[in-house]
Amino acid sequence: EAGVAQSPRYKIIEKRQSVAFWCNPISGHATLYWYQQILGQGPKLLIQFQNNGVVDDSQLPKDRFSAERLKGVDSTLKIQPAKLEDSAVYLCASSTRGGAANTGELFFGEGSRLTVL
Amino acid sequence: SQKIEQNSEALNIQEGKTATLTCNYTNYSPAYLQWYRQDPGRGPVFLLLIRENEKEKRKERLKVTFDTTLKQSLFHITASQPADSATYLCAPSDSASKIIFGSGTRLSIRP
Repeated sequence: EAGVAQSPRYKIIEKRQSVAFWCNPISGHATLYWYQQILGQGPKLLIQFQNNGVVDDSQLPKDRFSAERLKGVDSTLKIQPAKLEDSAVYLCASSTRGGAANTGELFFGEGSRLTVL
Repeated sequence: SQKIEQNSEALNIQEGKTATLTCNYTNYSPAYLQWYRQDPGRGPVFLLLIRENEKEKRKERLKVTFDTTLKQSLFHITASQPADSATYLCAPSDSASKIIFGSGTRLSIRP
């Protein structure tokens, strides 16, 4: 079974530039998550999708971050304009279940490491 | 606000001993709790899940306990090996399905 695919693995940009990250979850997984992990910290949830609908985006900085999940499969996370504090690893995860009864384990991709100069 | 605390300092253990990691939470009533392992430069990998009505869960050399009165979970690795060296993350979750991670504990097993 193929795992969660993410690209690019590494990205270096100047502040105020834009960047996009792509995620392809495990086939059949209804729930998709984007997490931000700053060095030395645990992953912080940015947004959770159930199929192509947003379940939780309460911690997504909506003035600069946006995410979409077209057709309930692949997802893209965009940052525009980037700030220095956005330097982090952006992790995508998927799980089989969703909604209030979700107890499914999360399957993570390898992450996309962003450096903002 | 919800808060999850894990040992902030790295844990150094002699090979063969039992490693015990702690996860405490406040302002929270998780229905279940997950533990993940994360190696440098990699995404977290699921290890175990324990529900609020379970006191203990085991998987091979791993054991997790969940005390809802103390608001604490303990994660044990028995007969530890250098290959167990990694960062371990706890992730309590309430019934709203939001999975929040602690900051992790870095475990180092010396030969």
